[in-house]
Amino acid sequence: AQSVAQPEDQVNVAEGNPLTVKCTYSVSGNPYLFWYVQYPNRGLQFLLKYITGDNLVKGSYGFEAEFNKSQTSFHLKKPSALVSDSALYFCAVHNYGQNFVFGPGTRLSVLP
Amino acid sequence: DAGVIQSPRHEVTEMGQEVTLRCKPISGHDYLFWYRQTMMRGLELLIYFNNNVPIDDSGMPEDRFSAKMPNASFSTLKIQPSEPRDSAVYFCASSPQGREKLFFGSGTQLSVL
Repeated sequence: AQSVAQPEDQVNVAEGNPLTVKCTYSVSGNPYLFWYVQYPNRGLQFLLKYITGDNLVKGSYGFEAEFNKSQTSFHLKKPSALVSDSALYFCAVHNYGQNFVFGPGTRLSVLP
Repeated sequence: DAGVIQSPRHEVTEMGQEVTLRCKPISGHDYLFWYRQTMMRGLELLIYFNNNVPIDDSGMPEDRFSAKMPNASFSTLKIQPSEPRDSAVYFCASSPQGREKLFFGSGTQLSVL
């Protein structure tokens, strides 16, 4: 069965510092990998996805994610955090013939 | 494009009442998904449609839940009768293809008293 883990419920970072939100997955084959962000009282918004190719994927709002096949990880990163990045972040996987599976979410707080 | 449109944004009802949630997907998207979000269980897939046909409803919790997609531009999720444990945020999402990114609506906050 597919599963997605986000080991941190909460990540706190100071504005201007780099941030990392971690994601590991357990899926057979070559899944598509996604990051979504959810702001209060809103639906999830797509940030970026990895299908194949370069292990570093760039997405919206300056975010990027690093795919590591040997560690089955897909960590979300940003070089310099903004207070407006504070939100709930979800990692998701999609394997061929399966449904999307979302992680439990990580709440990011960027402190001014 | 206006994006995925859900209505109502908030619904407060009493236990035993029928609740109908509505969704208009993005035009041209062949896939439509219904998700439920709670603090305890996170984001759960309830059902999804491809070209208006239900493909996987294994996530529908009970027979009290039903979903329809009579045409490409409209879907409903109905709960009858509603129970307090159904209280959650219900999201509709659409996608142009099965493995492409999902576009989410703003959700319906359901409170069953």
